[in-house]
Amino acid sequence: SAVISQKPSRDICQRGTSLTIQCQVDSQVTMMFWYRQQPGQSLTLIATANQGSEATYESGFVIDKFPISRPNLTFSTLTVSNMSPEDSSIYLCSVPGLGGAGVDTEAFFGQGTRLTVV
Amino acid sequence: AQKVTQAQTEISVVEKEDVTLDCVYETRDTTYYLFWYKQPPSGELVFLIRRNSFDEQNEISGRYSWNFQKSTSSFNFTITASQVVDSAVYFCARTNAGKSTFGDGTTLTVKP
Repeated sequence: SAVISQKPSRDICQRGTSLTIQCQVDSQVTMMFWYRQQPGQSLTLIATANQGSEATYESGFVIDKFPISRPNLTFSTLTVSNMSPEDSSIYLCSVPGLGGAGVDTEAFFGQGTRLTVV
Repeated sequence: AQKVTQAQTEISVVEKEDVTLDCVYETRDTTYYLFWYKQPPSGELVFLIRRNSFDEQNEISGRYSWNFQKSTSSFNFTITASQVVDSAVYFCARTNAGKSTFGDGTTLTVKP
């Protein structure tokens, strides 16, 4: 299993500012994923953070709004830029739990960052 | 997009009742994985069960049981003798190559 530490756990931010969320994993992983969970909604994949290359963004998410860094195989950051109240959500990082032959055993999630934009 | 559908938005039961949460998925992949997660009010995601597309054997684990039917693309989850602590949002998810697609979640309320 993987242990993921995500910081901050929560924050209240002013609109127009940016917040950087950190995700630290206790083992080296090739891929890390960032999800958003808007209030009362499901989890939506924002992007895949790849070490050594640009992040891959899902439809509806752009790098200017959600820049991602992946400096090594155990760490990633997601920045929520120029925030508005619509960005109020829980943001979660995730890593796959890979069994033998790359089989997905499950996904491990950080505790989440609860962001409120006022 | 390959969707995961949880038709039940909210379910309310009285303690000790059995409750089944439904999940229907779409996929074009031959190999995929299905999961159920629980999200209590505290917000963390708790892994409950995983099934791969080759394993249609249903399983019982304590009060939990799962019914995976590939022919109908369904992966339903049953809690037997529900308890108040089971109150949470339950998500069904399909994963391939580490990326997960989640259903909209079913909010389960178990009343004493």
